[in-house]
Amino acid sequence: DAGVIQSPRHEVTEMGQEVTLRCKPISGHNSLFWYRQTMMRGLELLIYFNNNVPIDDSGMPEDRFSAKMPNASFSTLKIQPSEPRDSAVYFCASSLRGSSGKNIQYFGAGTRLSVL
Amino acid sequence: TQLLEQSPQFLSIQEGENLTVYCNSSSVFSSLQWYRQEPGEGPVLLVTVVTGGEVKKLKRLTFQFGDARKDSSLHITAAQPGDTGLYLCAGARSTFGDGTTLTVKP
Repeated sequence: DAGVIQSPRHEVTEMGQEVTLRCKPISGHNSLFWYRQTMMRGLELLIYFNNNVPIDDSGMPEDRFSAKMPNASFSTLKIQPSEPRDSAVYFCASSLRGSSGKNIQYFGAGTRLSVL
Repeated sequence: TQLLEQSPQFLSIQEGENLTVYCNSSSVFSSLQWYRQEPGEGPVLLVTVVTGGEVKKLKRLTFQFGDARKDSSLHITAAQPGDTGLYLCAGARSTFGDGTTLTVKP
């Protein structure tokens, strides 16, 4: 398996523009997570889905952020409009959440977003 | 939210030295995970500890879970430059500590 695939790897945009980050989870995984990583705040969970349904979006910073998972093999994180403080590395992770409760998350390589 | 404090924040050592990094919380963990993240990559899971007092070994890495399940440590023996990276602990609900940035100089 190719692992979790994120695109683009790098994104540079201007303030006010819409940004869409994409994630393809590992095939067969039923949970998907979006994180944001900055020097100041570390790695923060934004939202996670279980069986394509958003379960906890309490980490989504503002209404400018939205995430969708239309099917088991694809998710997007959208920022509209983007602001310079959104600059960060955004990670997607997936896991197979089973009855044992184990939650081994596999991370993508991340999207480095710079908002000018 | 379960807060995880990691220490030290930064650690720079010479190849061959031993080191220990810590992950602490005022709350009890149901389980705890340790990840390593290399520059330009996402975190990679190293180990999950579940039972109080548990010790797990992964080659030169030794992970210990406190008896009260409120703290954990990672000990690296004879560190190598390949151990360089950001070490993160994570608790329930995908809460991560701020990490320890380890640099091992050849």
